[in-house]
Order: sequence, then structure tokens, then C-alpha cells
Amino acid sequence: EAGVAQSPRYKIIEKRQSVAFWCNPISGHATLYWYQQILGQGPKLLIQFQNNGVVDDSQLPKDRFSAERLKGVDSTLKIQPAKLEDSAVYLCASSSPAPGGPHNEQFFGPGTRLTVL
Amino acid sequence: QKEVEQNSGPLSVPEGAIASLNCTYSDRVSQSFFWYRQYSGKSPELIMSIYSNGDKEDGRFTAQLNKASQYVSLLIRDSQPSDSATYLCAVIAGGTSYGKLTFGQGTILTVHP
Repeated sequence: EAGVAQSPRYKIIEKRQSVAFWCNPISGHATLYWYQQILGQGPKLLIQFQNNGVVDDSQLPKDRFSAERLKGVDSTLKIQPAKLEDSAVYLCASSSPAPGGPHNEQFFGPGTRLTVL
Repeated sequence: QKEVEQNSGPLSVPEGAIASLNCTYSDRVSQSFFWYRQYSGKSPELIMSIYSNGDKEDGRFTAQLNKASQYVSLLIRDSQPSDSATYLCAVIAGGTSYGKLTFGQGTILTVHP
């Protein structure tokens, strides 16, 4: 079974530029998550999708971050404009079955390391 | 108070010893608990999940859960240098959390030969 795929693996941009990350979850996984992991910290949830609907985006900085999952499979996360403090690893994860149940094991992709200069 | 708190590291143990990693959580109705291992420069990898009070063993790993004390731990027996990594405790709260994982800050474990 193929794992969660993400691209690009690394990205370096100047502040105020825009950037986009792509994620393809494990086949059949209805729930997709985007996390931000700053060096030395645990991952922090940015947004969670159930199929193509958002179920939690309470920690997404909506003035600059956006995400979509149009057909309930792939997802993109965008930052526009980027700030220095956005430098982090952006992790995508997926899970099955439906969230809220006791067995919601999440599996992570390799992540995208973003450096904002 | 942090929602999920792990024992401060780094933790250093000799090869062959037992490594003990601890985690406390604040939400009393939390229902699912996970341990992830993260090697430097890599993404988190799920190694254990536990949902009921007591112990759960998988090979050299044992997860322990005490919901009354809001405490979960991970024991690694016969520690190997390959176990050197950051260990992340993660919790799913109860209620309408939609399966949201809240992570601790991680504990760095070093196993020296």
C-alpha cells in the first residue's frame, strides 16, 4: 500500500512570496490533515478535511493560509504572502475510518521543509 | 497548562537498558492515545496506539495508560542505538473533536553503545 505523498520536499522563498504544497493521501482515506511542525516542537494541526469538507480549521491563519481538497482526494495548502515565522515543515497525514471514532490512526507523508528568507 | 506534556529531555540511556517516556494530558475525556517516533529530518511514524487502561505490548515496546491519572507512558526494553529519535505523544480528545490529534513537544531519546 502506497503511503501519503507530498511535494515538493523542500522549498526556499523570500518573505512576501507565495508558495503551494501538494498532498495525495493513502488510497481510500477519507480524512486528510495538514500540520505545521516548527523545529523542536510537536506538529500543530492547521486544517482537517473529511472528504472535501473542512471539519476543523481553527488554527489556520486564514489571512495568509488557504487549503482545498476539491475532489475529496488530493489537497493543496497555500501561503500568501509568506512570513519569516512560516519557516517549518508542513506535514500531510491521512486516516480511515471516519474521524471521531476511537481508532483514528493517522499516517504521515514525508513533509515539505519550507524556508522563508 | 499545556494540553499534552511530555517529560523534558533529552533522555540518554545505555544500549540494552529500558527507556521510559512519559506523557500527561489535560482533557479528562480524551479517548485515544498514540506514540509516534520521529527520526531527525523525517516525518512522524506511528509505533503504538492505546485506548484502554492498562498495558499494551508490541515487541520491545509497551504502552501504559492510566486515565484516572491522565497519564500515558512508553517503555522501550533492550534499547538499541536505532531507537535514538524524538518520541511524540499524541492524544485525541473526547467529544466533537473530529479525531483531532494534539501532540506533545516530544522527548529526544539517545541510546549510546
